[in-house]
Amino acid sequence: DTEVTQTPKHLVMGMTNKKSLKCEQHMGHRAMYWYKQKAKKPPELMFVYSYEKLSINESVPSRFSPECPNSSLLNLHLHALQPEDSALYLCASSQQYSGLDNEQFFGPGTRLTVL
Amino acid sequence: GNSVTQMEGPVTLSEEAFLTINCTYTATGYPSLFWYVQYPGEGLQLLLKATKADDKGSNKGFEATYRKETTSFHLEKGSVQVSDSAVYFCALRKGSGGSYIPTFGRGTSLIVHP
Repeated sequence: DTEVTQTPKHLVMGMTNKKSLKCEQHMGHRAMYWYKQKAKKPPELMFVYSYEKLSINESVPSRFSPECPNSSLLNLHLHALQPEDSALYLCASSQQYSGLDNEQFFGPGTRLTVL
Repeated sequence: GNSVTQMEGPVTLSEEAFLTINCTYTATGYPSLFWYVQYPGEGLQLLLKATKADDKGSNKGFEATYRKETTSFHLEKGSVQVSDSAVYFCALRKGSGGSYIPTFGRGTSLIVHP
């Protein structure tokens, strides 16, 4: 199984809603990532978890709250988002965080629209 | 800091044409270099990679050679197909004492007509 799955595929939410994005992998990878991608732009790193611990937070606003309940799951909790947060949210995983040769496997993404 | 520069798209080709997408990078030390492809409505897939100078990465008819002297990693394919239409991202990852956060180029859209 070399797949990263993400749910939901699409999400529409109001600015006062609370929602969560879910990511799952069963490749035994110990590093997991959240990226944000706007249209026609490269992905921007948001968070990195290594061995279920938050290793990197790229100065992301607190309305985005990541969680790694176990080595296979990664969640992104959303609260009080702004319309400019509308984007494709990509999850990725790799064998380890460190090391140059660690290929990242990406999920298909969740298309988020904030009204 | 690290940076990756890709040619601006879109690149529009006819089927069976030769493809080159240019990528140059700025980084100290010896980064690893990657090409990712993103098909419409999907996430990124690793297309090929090279981890040291003069390495050639190849996959699905695509090739790229890590050229340290010109700090380049240009993507080539001898004969493109309509199914190759996608956005291609060049990226680098630098380690050895620094951050392992990947740096992506802006992406180059490829459109292949029948």
